[in-house]
Amino acid sequence: EPEVTQTPSHQVTQMGQEVILRCVPISNHLYFYWYRQILGQKVEFLVSFYNNEISEKSEIFDDQFSVERPDGSNFTLKIRSTKLEDSAMYFCASEGYTKTQYFGPGTRLLVL
Amino acid sequence: RKEVEQDPGPFNVPEGATVAFNCTYSNSASQSFFWYRQDCRKEPKLLMSVYSSGNEDGRFTAQLNRASQYISLLIRDSKLSDSATYLCVVNDGYQKVTFGTGTKLQVIP
Repeated sequence: EPEVTQTPSHQVTQMGQEVILRCVPISNHLYFYWYRQILGQKVEFLVSFYNNEISEKSEIFDDQFSVERPDGSNFTLKIRSTKLEDSAMYFCASEGYTKTQYFGPGTRLLVL
Repeated sequence: RKEVEQDPGPFNVPEGATVAFNCTYSNSASQSFFWYRQDCRKEPKLLMSVYSSGNEDGRFTAQLNRASQYISLLIRDSKLSDSATYLCVVNDGYQKVTFGTGTKLQVIP
C-alpha cells in the first residue's frame, strides 16, 4: 500500500538555524499539507499546496515558513530561523481524488 | 466558540462496552468531515469519513447532523486495541482543515 514518507524522523537544531523537513507524498495525489503538533496539544494546520502553489495557510504559517515541491516528488517545509516554540512534531499529508488525507510518520523537531 | 470542539476525556470503558463521542464545529459552510485515530506519538490515521446519511464500518458508526453542526462516532464492542485518541476533522472545502483537540479513549480489560 502506498504511503507518505518523511525525513528526517528527528531533527535537533539551534535557535536561529534553518531547517528543511522533507516529505514524499503518495505518487498520484494532488493536494499536499503540512501540520504541526506541539507535544500534548492538538494537530494544527499550517499550509496546503496544490498545483505548485499555496492554496491555504494558517496564521501560524508566517514569513519564517515556506514550502516547495522542487522536483515533482518531494514536498518540503523550510523554517528559516527557528525559534524555541517551533519545537513540535511536523506531519506531512497528501490527498487524492477521494478527498481523504494520508499522513506521514512525522518529523520530531527540537529547537535548543 | 472553538472551530472544532471535542470532549478531551479520557473515556475509560470496559472491553465490550459501547462508547460514543461527539464533536461540534462552528463553520456552517464546512464541506467534509472525518474521524481519525491517533496513537501516542504517532501520526493520525483515517478511521472513517462521515457522510450526511451516516455510515458504518464494522463496529464503528459515524453520523453527521448539519443542522446542529455536530458529528458523532459510536464504537460498539470495544477492544483493547481501540485505546487511542479520536480526532474529529473538518474540511472547509478549500483545503483548510481543522482538527479537534481529540478525545482520549482507554479500554480496560
